[in-house]
Amino acid sequence: SAVISQKPSRDICQRGTSLTIQCQVDSQVTMMFWYRQQPGQSLTLIATANQGSEATYESGFVIDKFPISRPNLTFSTLTVSNMSPEDSSIYLCSVDFQTPSYGYTFGSGTRLTVV
Amino acid sequence: GQNIDQPTEMTATEGAIVQINCTYQTSGFNGLFWYQQHAGEAPTFLSYNVLDGLEEKGRFSSFLSRSKGYSYLLLKELQMKDSASYLCGGGGSQGNLIFGKGTKLSVKP
Repeated sequence: SAVISQKPSRDICQRGTSLTIQCQVDSQVTMMFWYRQQPGQSLTLIATANQGSEATYESGFVIDKFPISRPNLTFSTLTVSNMSPEDSSIYLCSVDFQTPSYGYTFGSGTRLTVV
Repeated sequence: GQNIDQPTEMTATEGAIVQINCTYQTSGFNGLFWYQQHAGEAPTFLSYNVLDGLEEKGRFSSFLSRSKGYSYLLLKELQMKDSASYLCGGGGSQGNLIFGKGTKLSVKP
């Protein structure tokens, strides 16, 4: 199997607060990826999370705003810090299971609304 | 630079065949992937090509030409439930995928 469990599925948060999103994989994987999908847009990579090292962030994303943890080979968290309405998006974790049947698989996503 | 292009919208009729094209320029190449995404849901993996040629999976087929940086997704016997966005994704610099903006397909009766 190739299962990714992501939670919460959705949340409505007050501006200035933080939300931590969790991603659990049912097998050990080297890299986990965190994406953002703003309304009506495609997927944008936030960062790559490797176990045992700091995450690698894409241009426009910084660790202070999106801290990531990767304590082991099956789990990762993404925190959206000091939220503003512009952070309202769907956040998705993704894993490359490196098999033809699954390819890069996404978690079910977290729909975040900041008010 | 890295770029993936695909049409923004397409419309087709139930029972017909539709081809969604994708051109790409990416820093790495670990295959060309196609995903289906219904509104409000996460993308679902459909197909991928790592070698040139056609891969067939039931009603869905995907084609790749690496020399041309070109792929297409072919959907046959269209059904109303095929109305969705279709995302083309290819190799990024971190072993991840980068994606086109997606093609919104509307299937009409």
